[in-house]
Amino acid sequence: GQNIDQPTEMTATEGAIVQINCTYQTSGFNGLFWYQQHAGEAPTFLSYNVLDGLEEKGRFSSFLSRSKGYSYLLLKELQMKDSASYLCAVRDTGGFKTIFGAGTRLFVKA
Amino acid sequence: GAVVSQHPSWVICKSGTSVKIECRSLDFQATTMFWYRQFPKQSLMLMATSNEGSKATYEQGVEKDKFLINHASLTLSTLTVTSAHPEDSSFYICSARPLDLPNTGELFFGEGSRLTVL
Repeated sequence: GQNIDQPTEMTATEGAIVQINCTYQTSGFNGLFWYQQHAGEAPTFLSYNVLDGLEEKGRFSSFLSRSKGYSYLLLKELQMKDSASYLCAVRDTGGFKTIFGAGTRLFVKA
Repeated sequence: GAVVSQHPSWVICKSGTSVKIECRSLDFQATTMFWYRQFPKQSLMLMATSNEGSKATYEQGVEKDKFLINHASLTLSTLTVTSAHPEDSSFYICSARPLDLPNTGELFFGEGSRLTVL
């Protein structure tokens, strides 16, 4: 079956660092994605991992361990505008079907 | 590049009517588009994979006769919610993966269509 788990909510302080974890169990694996979604809007792409290790892009970094079925998204120097839902998604092999986790709602407080 | 446009952004209809939602890739071709549904405070649930020139592939539990999908060209897919009922009220989002643009395989999403059935 397909199962993607991530915390429901997290709260962090402006300027701090926050790590959002994601574990997955899927029948196939062809990459893991992180998307950001503000309320009432479509998701926007943040990062992509297909090999083990850390990918860094500005204030955002994403890590993947395929053997553990584990990923995390690291957000540095948090800003108020980072308050949003962060969706972990796994792409299946063949057909490029992408399955989403329930999302983590991040609240950044002053 | 890689812009996906969805129309309408929001629609209110009476129970029993049908509603059509369009998804267009504006600056790229997409042989495959995906339709998702999202209820409040929940994640995106994949409804179906839309393939240009062939029948859509529906996920388990999604009624293909209720959610009609047509992918008539490389830049347009439509979702028709037939005989809509209040429980169909949701945020419907389409996405596409461009095949002729360099990318890591991420999905590009339309703006979403919020359907309210009275």
